[in-house]
Amino acid sequence: QVQLVESGGGLVKPGGSLRLSCAASGFTFSDYYMSWIRQAPGKGLEWVSYISSSGSTIYYADSVKGRFTISRDNAKNSLYLQMNSLRAEDTAVYYCARVRKGMGHFDYWGQGTLVTVSS
Amino acid sequence: DIQMTQSPSSVSASVGDRVTITCRASQGISSWLAWYQQKPGKAPKLLIYAASSLQSGVPSRFSGSGSGTDFTLTISSLQPEDFATYYCQQANSFLGVFTFGPGTKVDIK
Repeated sequence: QVQLVESGGGLVKPGGSLRLSCAASGFTFSDYYMSWIRQAPGKGLEWVSYISSSGSTIYYADSVKGRFTISRDNAKNSLYLQMNSLRAEDTAVYYCARVRKGMGHFDYWGQGTLVTVSS
Repeated sequence: DIQMTQSPSSVSASVGDRVTITCRASQGISSWLAWYQQKPGKAPKLLIYAASSLQSGVPSRFSGSGSGTDFTLTISSLQPEDFATYYCQQANSFLGVFTFGPGTKVDIK
């Protein structure tokens, strides 16, 4: 069965960096586009970034553009999110999600990893 | 960028009730619309994609309709496990951005 497991969250000071990972299993990872979506405590869902199956197409939300970098390693079945210049407003649960082939919705989600930006 | 709105922001309903949630896009998105259900402390779950297609394993009491700018999620007979928050999402990948609506919380009356 499809599994997505995020890791790498934690407490970081404003201006700091963190790298999130998402380990995928149960499907051919290299065939699928992937995405990161976040949810601040008590708030709604916010799409963060999207990467094509080969990594050649990447999109970012304006709120993270220039600070976050999405990448993937198809040999390791892994998705990453490098987060730099972190701000308090980046505090959230970060989910990785699989993008349905040929579509733009998210058919499988991980359980999420919490990132807290605080001094 | 396309903005997504939902109404109502919350609804109180009883088991067996018919519940309808509306989602509106600030510009036409054809049928590129998905609906998700989220329970507290859990990841969202895909219910409906392409505006009206039911995701595998989702009960048939859930249905979606609409195209262009106006969309609807209907729960035909609310069950105890349906009390949750529901989000719509603009799903046109060609736009390079994937916007969620603010959510609608369905709670017990």
